[in-house]
Amino acid sequence: GAGVSQSPSNKVTEKGKDVELRCDPISGHTALYWYRQSLGQGLEFLIYFQGNSAPDKSGLPSDRFSAERTGGSVSTLTIQRTQQEDSAVYLCASSAQRGQETQYFGPGTRLLVL
Amino acid sequence: QKEVEQDPGPLSVPEGAIVSLNCTYSNSAFQYFMWYRQYSRKGPELLMYTYSSGNKEDGRFTAQVDKSSKYISLFIRDSQPSDSATYLCAMSGGSNFGNEKLTFGTGTRLTIIP
Repeated sequence: GAGVSQSPSNKVTEKGKDVELRCDPISGHTALYWYRQSLGQGLEFLIYFQGNSAPDKSGLPSDRFSAERTGGSVSTLTIQRTQQEDSAVYLCASSAQRGQETQYFGPGTRLLVL
Repeated sequence: QKEVEQDPGPLSVPEGAIVSLNCTYSNSAFQYFMWYRQYSRKGPELLMYTYSSGNKEDGRFTAQVDKSSKYISLFIRDSQPSDSATYLCAMSGGSNFGNEKLTFGTGTRLTIIP
């Protein structure tokens, strides 16, 4: 079946603007994760959803970052008042259910804040 | 000190050679160990998944986990130019312990020279 999809694939924005990044997980996958990949920092966990609830938001770097998931499927990561240090690749992953540890990643959204 | 340490390379080897990639970690709660391959401007692709200590083989790839030493390895036999990519180790404590998120190494950039 289809894998994890993300949109947009690339986003260029001006400092101070808000951006929304979208993730469509693999159909039927109940767990969804957001990670950020930046040069020199590697892949860092942001937030985890089980269904529509987020039991672990510990990786969100500031209150400018928020995420939601609706219908146990699509998730949106929102960054308000973007800063240049927010420039990174934002990756979404999903896994089948609790107890299934393997996570499958989407292609990512490359965000550049000018 | 990072929870997961991985030599960033770059690592260049001739085609047909055996490649050894390694990670060390400090968190004894990690139970699940994964290797991902990431091509340039793509999302990470799951290669190998291992639970606890031991070896796992899949085609040309072998993953080893030594929990007593907190050391994991990935071996690639008969390396091919198509294996040229960044290899990321990742690990988690597991969803049954409420610790689903993956913690990644920084990745090793590998080039196979024809």
